[in-house]
Amino acid sequence: GDSVTQMEGPVTLSEEAFLTINCTYTATGYPSLFWYVQYPGEGLQLLLKATKADDKGSNKGFEATYRKETTSFHLEKGSVQVSDSAVYFCALSDRDNQGGKLIFGQGTELSVKP
Amino acid sequence: EAGVAQSPRYKIIEKRQSVAFWCNPISGHATLYWYQQILGQGPKLLIQFQNNGVVDDSQLPKDRFSAERLKGVDSTLKIQPAKLEDSAVYLCASTPSGGNIQYFGAGTRLSVL
Repeated sequence: GDSVTQMEGPVTLSEEAFLTINCTYTATGYPSLFWYVQYPGEGLQLLLKATKADDKGSNKGFEATYRKETTSFHLEKGSVQVSDSAVYFCALSDRDNQGGKLIFGQGTELSVKP
Repeated sequence: EAGVAQSPRYKIIEKRQSVAFWCNPISGHATLYWYQQILGQGPKLLIQFQNNGVVDDSQLPKDRFSAERLKGVDSTLKIQPAKLEDSAVYLCASTPSGGNIQYFGAGTRLSVL
C-alpha cells in the first residue's frame, strides 16, 4: 500500500541554520503531497502542499518540490528561527484531490537553539 | 471562521472502561475523519465519513471502537472496553466537499492505565 518515510529526528539546529527534512513516498497513483506542522500543545496545521509533479509548495519561508522521478518531497528552509521548533509531518493523500485519507510519515522533531 | 472543535482535551481512564470523544467540524465541511496518533508516530486513519455515511473504516478495530456522525455534522468516537494500547491522541479533521486540505482539531489525549 501507499506509504511515507521521513528522516528520523530529533533534529537540532542553531538559529539561522539551513534546514532539510527528507521525505520519500510510495504510491500507486498520483497523490497530492503535504507537509503538516505540529507546534507544542497544538493540533496539526497545514504548512504547504503540492498536487502534481514539479509543483513547488511554499509558506513561511519553507519550500518543498514534488519530485516524481525520485518520489520525494523534501522540506527546506534557508534560515530557521527558534519559533520553527515543532514536529513536522510529511503526508500524502491517497486520492487525487478527492478528499481521501492522509497517510503520514512518522514525524521529525525540530529543535532550534538561539 | 471557527476551527474543528474537540472535547475533552484530556482523558484518563482505567483499562476495560469505556470512553467517548466528540468532534464538531468546520461548518459546511462534508467530510470528517478520525485519526489515532500514538506517541512518536504519525496519525493513522480510523474512520472517514462523507456527510453521515462511512467512506472508509478499514482500520477501525470494530470489536471495541465505534463512531457515528448523526445528521452529518458532529461526530462521536467511542472505545469500549479500552486497552492499554489505546493510549494515544485522537484527532478529528474535516474537509469541504471537493477539497483535499484537511483541517485538524487540537485532539483528545487519552491515557489508559
